[in-house]
Amino acid sequence: SQELEQSPQSLIVQEGKNLTINCTSSKTLYGLYWYKQKYGEGLIFLIMLQKGGEEKSHEKITAKLDEKKQQSSLHITASQPSHAGIYLCGAVTTGNQFYFGTGTSLTVIP
Amino acid sequence: DTGVSQDPRHKITKRGQNVTFRCDPISEHNRLYWYRQTLGQGPEFLTYFQNEAQLEKSRLLSDRFSAERPKGSFSTLEIQRTEQGDSAMYLCASSLQGVKFTEAFFGQGTRLTVV
Repeated sequence: SQELEQSPQSLIVQEGKNLTINCTSSKTLYGLYWYKQKYGEGLIFLIMLQKGGEEKSHEKITAKLDEKKQQSSLHITASQPSHAGIYLCGAVTTGNQFYFGTGTSLTVIP
Repeated sequence: DTGVSQDPRHKITKRGQNVTFRCDPISEHNRLYWYRQTLGQGPEFLTYFQNEAQLEKSRLLSDRFSAERPKGSFSTLEIQRTEQGDSAMYLCASSLQGVKFTEAFFGQGTRLTVV
């Protein structure tokens, strides 16, 4: 079973539209990280969240952490084709291991 | 470039052959992780080292897989008697262990194709 579930699994949006990706943990979170991956490439670190209620931004990407709900959301404002890729959340949970979410594939149509 | 580097970037091998991948972490990082990612899936944890000690192994790591980090610096992941199901991207990451967890830095990965 997956420690971290992401939704939606895939997303197709028109350029300029806003979008949100969610990441829900089945266990207590000790930090939540968002990564982006282009097909066949390594992971690019985007944002790290460590405290409940924390909100951080990286260019047009904003991420929030709701510790009580064991959930994080990633919001992209005014999406561009360069935002296309697979977005992965990652977290350290009990057992001191780092797990990844199921991934969300984003396509941005020009 | 002082990031995590992996070698080779791509490997094509015949079924039954052995392959070995190398990961060079960021020099001051004492933790090193290996992940496997198949098409359309998120990365799956395989194993991690703290310095030269292998502290955790996933049940995904069958007897054909072995990882080492002999001097607490670079690490190797060997797959013996490769099978087609081993075809995947193998990702390495490194981090510092401290009071607070820092983000892990990932390499570009080694893409393995078993034919």
